[in-house]
Amino acid sequence: GAGVSQTPSNKVTEKGKYVELRCDPISGHTALYWYRQSLGQGPEFLIYFQGTGAADDSGLPNDRFFAVRPEGSVSTLKIQRTERGDSAVYLCASSLVGIADTQYFGPGTRLTVL
Amino acid sequence: DQQVKQNSPSLSVQEGRISILNCDYTNSMFDYFLWYKKYPAEGPTFLISISSIKDKNEDGRFTVFLNKSAKHLSLHIVPSQPGDSAVYFCAASSPGGSQGNLIFGKGTKLSVKP
Repeated sequence: GAGVSQTPSNKVTEKGKYVELRCDPISGHTALYWYRQSLGQGPEFLIYFQGTGAADDSGLPNDRFFAVRPEGSVSTLKIQRTERGDSAVYLCASSLVGIADTQYFGPGTRLTVL
Repeated sequence: DQQVKQNSPSLSVQEGRISILNCDYTNSMFDYFLWYKKYPAEGPTFLISISSIKDKNEDGRFTVFLNKSAKHLSLHIVPSQPGDSAVYFCAASSPGGSQGNLIFGKGTKLSVKP
């Protein structure tokens, strides 16, 4: 079946602009995760949804970052007033239930803030 | 302070030989460990996992060993194949809280030479 998909694959924006990154999880997966991977680093946890609610948003770096999953499927990561330091690959993953389940990753969105 | 450490940024191995990738962690509360493989421009792909109640898990050419007293795990690939060339990430499930997120190391780039 279809894996996790993310759009756009690449996003270039200017400092101070607002961006939205979309994630379509594997059908039937109730848990959805957002990670950020900077150059030379491993993925860094941002937020975890169980269904429609954010079960853990402790990884969001500041209040410019926000994510929603209104119907328990597609999720959008929103970044306000982007800064050059936000440039990274943003990865989305989903798993069947959540805790200790295998997470399946999408290809990521490469965000470049000029 | 990195909780999951992969101290070797790169490893080169001859085809047919064994590849050993190492990972150390600092938090004794971690109870689930995973290895992911990542090709360029793709998201991480789950490879193999191990629960803290075990010390070994094997899946085909891949074996993960866990030494809890040393807070160390390793991934063995034998025999290594050129298609195994990728970046390998070690990850641990976060203790307490939602336990929904993974904490990743920085990765080790494996090159298997024909």
